[in-house]
Amino acid sequence: KAGVTQTPRYLIKTRGQQVTLSCSPISGHRSVSWYQQTPGQGLQFLFEYFSETQRNKGNFPGRFSGRQFSNSRSEMNVSTLELGDSALYLCASRSTSGVTYEQYFGPGTRLTVT
Amino acid sequence: KQEVTQIPAALSVPEGENLVLNCSFTDSAIYNLQWFRQDPGKGLTSLLLIQSSQREQTSGRLNASLDKSSGRSTLYIAASQPGDSATYLCAVPSGGSYIPTFGRGTSLIVHP
Repeated sequence: KAGVTQTPRYLIKTRGQQVTLSCSPISGHRSVSWYQQTPGQGLQFLFEYFSETQRNKGNFPGRFSGRQFSNSRSEMNVSTLELGDSALYLCASRSTSGVTYEQYFGPGTRLTVT
Repeated sequence: KQEVTQIPAALSVPEGENLVLNCSFTDSAIYNLQWFRQDPGKGLTSLLLIQSSQREQTSGRLNASLDKSSGRSTLYIAASQPGDSATYLCAVPSGGSYIPTFGRGTSLIVHP
């Protein structure tokens, strides 16, 4: 079974621009979560999507948004980029059947804002 | 609100040593506890998941234990190797959302 994939792997953007990141979950997984990882704050939860609906949201400004498509693929968008948005963005998927709630992570997208 | 603490923050050991990494959490009403490994600049690789009803899980040289009542988990690495060098994170989903709270990790260096 293929793992979680994320594209692109690396991005360099300028302040004020917007960016869209993509995540394809493990086949059959309907839950997709996004995280931001920085040296200062560690891993922080952004949001979770399930069946095209945002089910949970972390404490991030409205510049961060996401969506999920019918095939469970998800995108996250960051508008009006700030220097502080430079981070590793991780996507995770999990099965919602059974009781393990085990999460599987993708390789991440490294975003650098200059 | 769940808080997860990992001790030590960093560890440097010679090859061959047996290691214990610690994870503590404040809310014992957890669904499970998951240990991950992260290589620099990479994503997280799941190592072990312990269900809330379990006491331990083993995979190869790794053994993770869980004591819910005291809010603690340990990851035991036997006969460490340079390839074990990475950051190890524990994650604890709790509350109705199943969203895990992550510790800040233990950065491990195993030198030859």
